[in-house]
Amino acid sequence: AQTVTQSQPEMSVQEAETVTLSCTYDTSESNYYLFWYKQPPSRQMILVIRQEAYKQQNATENRFSVNFQKAAKSFSLKISDSQLGDTAMYFCAFPTSGSRLTFGEGTQLTVNP
Amino acid sequence: DGGITQSPKYLFRKEGQNVTLSCEQNLNHDAMYWYRQDPGQGLRLIYYSQIVNDFQKGDIAEGYSVSREKKESFPLTVTSAQKNPTAFYLCASSTASHHDDSPDTQYFGPGTRLTVL
Repeated sequence: AQTVTQSQPEMSVQEAETVTLSCTYDTSESNYYLFWYKQPPSRQMILVIRQEAYKQQNATENRFSVNFQKAAKSFSLKISDSQLGDTAMYFCAFPTSGSRLTFGEGTQLTVNP
Repeated sequence: DGGITQSPKYLFRKEGQNVTLSCEQNLNHDAMYWYRQDPGQGLRLIYYSQIVNDFQKGDIAEGYSVSREKKESFPLTVTSAQKNPTAFYLCASSTASHHDDSPDTQYFGPGTRLTVL
């Protein structure tokens, strides 16, 4: 079975500091994509970043970057220079059969002033 | 602007009634999805459709029905058979093409909050 696990239900960070959210997954596929989505209090799901498994280089989008460890099946999200607007629920997601995505349970991140 | 719209934003239903949630996209995406989200939890897939006039059950399809008569539209009906329908419902779409430079990336609508009175 293909699963996605986020082991940190809640995290907090001070404004301007760096925080890392963890995600592990299980798959027998060799070529796939991984995603991080953000859900702020408005509840709109917003794509943060995606990683292609066949690329060794970690994906980066401005202050957001991933640490992708394919052998360990780990896909963590690093947020640098945290801002108050980063306060949200963060979900790791992984494609399963066809175009379906399986989502983790989420990590609630709070950025404190 | 291209995007996904869901209506209504808030919906109230009496027990025993069927209600239909709307989802429309103008992104020219082939695939569309419906998810349910309960408080403090992740997303669970209800139904998905990869092509017009075809759809598949997700993990929690019981008590729900869908149709896909047009590429742009994927309405979800919450029937009276759904025992606990109060939840937040999210619609998404994707290209569902492995030749695209961002395959399987799902983009979401703003959601509908359904409450059963």
